[in-house]
Amino acid sequence: DTTVKQNPRYKLARVGKPVNLICSQTMNHDTMYWYQKKPNQAPKLLLFYYDKILNREADTFEKFQSSRPNNSFCSLYIGSAGLEYSAMYLCASSSPGGNAEQFFGPGTRLTVL
Amino acid sequence: GNSVTQMQGQVTLSEEEFLFINCTYSTTGYPTLFWYVQYPGEGPQLLLKVTTANNKGSSRGFEATYDKGTTSFHLQKASVQESDSAVYYCVLGEGGRALIFGTGTTVSVSP
Repeated sequence: DTTVKQNPRYKLARVGKPVNLICSQTMNHDTMYWYQKKPNQAPKLLLFYYDKILNREADTFEKFQSSRPNNSFCSLYIGSAGLEYSAMYLCASSSPGGNAEQFFGPGTRLTVL
Repeated sequence: GNSVTQMQGQVTLSEEEFLFINCTYSTTGYPTLFWYVQYPGEGPQLLLKVTTANNKGSSRGFEATYDKGTTSFHLQKASVQESDSAVYYCVLGEGGRALIFGTGTTVSVSP
């Protein structure tokens, strides 16, 4: 089973409210990633967990939080949503090793009003 | 910095026509280049991977090679089918875990 699952598939949030997105995988992958995808833009890496170590990109460091309570689950947390957070959020996982294939979930479409 | 550029935003073809998508990359390291494909309602999935310049990667009728001299990477298929309609991403890997995606090329194939 190479499935990565994301919940919810669609999320509507109000400006200033928190948002929590969930991702799970059953492939026992050591690394899990979160990407943000906006229309006509490339998917942008926000952060990734290598085992229990969180790595956040410099330009999104303060905007997103994440937790990984166990190997299978990873969340993406926005403390106070702004209009600019409206996007598709893609979760992925990969096995050990550089340049390893990443397996993506179907994404969560977040709309902030 | 490291980057990938896909200039073709949209490609429209009829079945059995030839597909060619090109991208350019910039990196200071020794890259591995990927093509990921995304079908409607799904996440991106790996189509093929090329680890060495001038070597050819192939999968499901698609072929790709990258040229270190021109820092270009292309994807081609001799005869497309309607089922090949999807978004194709050129992706740069630099040996670590992070991938750098291009903006994607939407391929539409009509029967």
